[in-house]
Amino acid sequence: QQQVKQSPQSLIVQKGGISIINCAYENTAFDYFPWYQQFPGKGPALLIAIRPDVSEKKEGRFTISFNKSAKQFSLHIMDSQPGDSATYFCAASMRGGWGKLQFGAGTQVVVTP
Amino acid sequence: DVKVTQSSRYLVKRTGEKVFLECVQDMDHENMFWYRQDPGLGLRLIYFSYDVKMKEKGDIPEGYSVSREKKERFSLILESASTNQTSMYLCASRVSRDRGPDSPLHFGNGTRLTVT
Repeated sequence: QQQVKQSPQSLIVQKGGISIINCAYENTAFDYFPWYQQFPGKGPALLIAIRPDVSEKKEGRFTISFNKSAKQFSLHIMDSQPGDSATYFCAASMRGGWGKLQFGAGTQVVVTP
Repeated sequence: DVKVTQSSRYLVKRTGEKVFLECVQDMDHENMFWYRQDPGLGLRLIYFSYDVKMKEKGDIPEGYSVSREKKERFSLILESASTNQTSMYLCASRVSRDRGPDSPLHFGNGTRLTVT
């Protein structure tokens, strides 16, 4: 049973548009929420991460929004570029958990020129 | 740059064979992980090692074992391969930082295993 639920499975966005990926969790012991980006033929790599004591974190065109009461968080990709085409995974881990991550199912993002 | 190297990119094995997947990291990381990646299921943790000779079961350890005799190397063993173990296997490592989650996982590029 997946502890982190991710949607949508895939999305297509035009260049310059906004990509939005949503994740939800139930376990209130989670206290670290990273997003990983995976290109074809490569392993995932950390993109951006947030802790529940902040509601938003921005790094360049990537923003995480976090809603602790709703137990939801989302990734926004602003001004999407063809180079952003990849699979994105949300994840969660617990304090004292050695960084073991529970991953969502992944979202394949395709940015059309 | 951290480098996590998985010994094979593609592997084809027969049902019942014993299979070894090898992973080596070059950054003296304490923690190492084996995940499997399946479409629609994301990444699921098979086993975890927080230090040499130390291991802990993940969410789906059945049918797998691991070995970590040296800090840089973490092996995943399929004792008797079955067709439902056909998957992409990803190894990762990270700095320990006192059990906290903040240091990122560094992944290898994966081994695609097909069991026929």
